[in-house]
Amino acid sequence: ELKVEQNPLFLSMQEGKNYTIYCNYSTTSDRLYWYRQDPGKSLESLFVLLSNGAVKQEGRLMASLDTKARLSTLHITAAVHDLSATYFCAAPSNTGNQFYFGTGTSLTVIP
Amino acid sequence: DAGVIQSPRHEVTEMGQEVTLRCKPISGHNSLFWYRQTMMRGLELLIYFNNNVPIDDSGMPEDRFSAKMPNASFSTLKIQPSEPRDSAVYFCASSQRAKHSGANVLTFGAGSRLTVL
Repeated sequence: ELKVEQNPLFLSMQEGKNYTIYCNYSTTSDRLYWYRQDPGKSLESLFVLLSNGAVKQEGRLMASLDTKARLSTLHITAAVHDLSATYFCAAPSNTGNQFYFGTGTSLTVIP
Repeated sequence: DAGVIQSPRHEVTEMGQEVTLRCKPISGHNSLFWYRQTMMRGLELLIYFNNNVPIDDSGMPEDRFSAKMPNASFSTLKIQPSEPRDSAVYFCASSQRAKHSGANVLTFGAGSRLTVL
């Protein structure tokens, strides 16, 4: 079974600071997905990374994928309170038809 | 499109009762997934369907759980009998693989929060 591990599990950071969330997965998947979940809400798609070396950016968030290292990162630049949420990475199975989610990183941005 | 629609949003029931959760996927999506989310276990894949056919139900915890997809626009997840440890948020998600990129993004419903007393 595919394993997806995220770290850290919990992250408390001050506004304006930078930080990186890491996602390691155990299969040879060449794609990786990031989702955001606000408290009490559903999951929303953030980024779709479709190949080795892929980099996607939106606002203060930037995601990258290294398929050789089986590692994806989500980098937060100059954090603001609105980024407080839980972030999940998800890796597809070898067939690409099912998805395994990481444990999630609960991010709290404090003033 | 109204997105993935789940019902009920909240359900409180007593141990031993039957619970049925419902899901309407996005029109045109050919894959449907049921996930369970708890604090202890995170987000777990229970079962997924492709073109209304169950493909992998290895995540279904035990025989008390069953899922059906009688047509492309409706799926149910049933728990009978329910137990307190089944208390969780149950999410339904659907997807359609993009022809050009192959991207297969999940769209989640709002979830059904189940409490079994």
